[in-house]
Amino acid sequence: AQSVTQPDIHITVSEGASLELRCNYSYGATPYLFWYVQSPGQGLQLLLKYFSGDTLVQGIKGFEAEFKRSQSSFNLRKPSVHWSDAAEYFCAVGALLNSNYQLIWGAGTKLIIKP
Amino acid sequence: GAVVSQHPSRVICKSGTSVKIECRSLDFQATTMFWYRQFPKKSLMLMATSNEGSKATYEQGVEKDKFLINHASLTLSTLTVTSAHPEDSSFYICSARRQGSNQPQHFGDGTRLSIL
Repeated sequence: AQSVTQPDIHITVSEGASLELRCNYSYGATPYLFWYVQSPGQGLQLLLKYFSGDTLVQGIKGFEAEFKRSQSSFNLRKPSVHWSDAAEYFCAVGALLNSNYQLIWGAGTKLIIKP
Repeated sequence: GAVVSQHPSRVICKSGTSVKIECRSLDFQATTMFWYRQFPKKSLMLMATSNEGSKATYEQGVEKDKFLINHASLTLSTLTVTSAHPEDSSFYICSARRQGSNQPQHFGDGTRLSIL
């Protein structure tokens, strides 16, 4: 069955430190992978996506993610976080379910920034 | 760009009222729109998928007579919560996608629904 796992419910990092948020997926075919960010009380904003090609994907706000097929992972990274990066981050995989193409969501990782 | 506008952002109303939430794609044609519900500190729960001009496909456990979805044009979908009750209070988020299974979903800012 298709699934997405974000093992860390929350992560705390100091401002200026590097960040890596983990995402593992289970999907039978070549996955379409996404990272979204949600600020409190807001909708979701697309950070980046992977469809094919270069396995290192650049996104907005200085984020990048690397697709590793052998590890079924799509981890999100940022070299230096800013206080404004504090938010909830969701990893998702595109999948065909019930004849509709949907996103399967991870449970999310809350990022807390220490000053 | 890909801007999705969701309105209203917040609704407070009495039990038994029906509430309509609109989701518009402002600068692209959305052949598919999605409606999600999000509980506090939880991930998104897909309620239904709607393709323009077709009946919505509801996820298991979602009452189609309670959550009416209309997707009459390529830029507008509406969710109507009929005869809302306190247990329907939640954060509802819509998303819209261009044609193509690999297209990302673009999200509205959500609607906070509070039923008294």
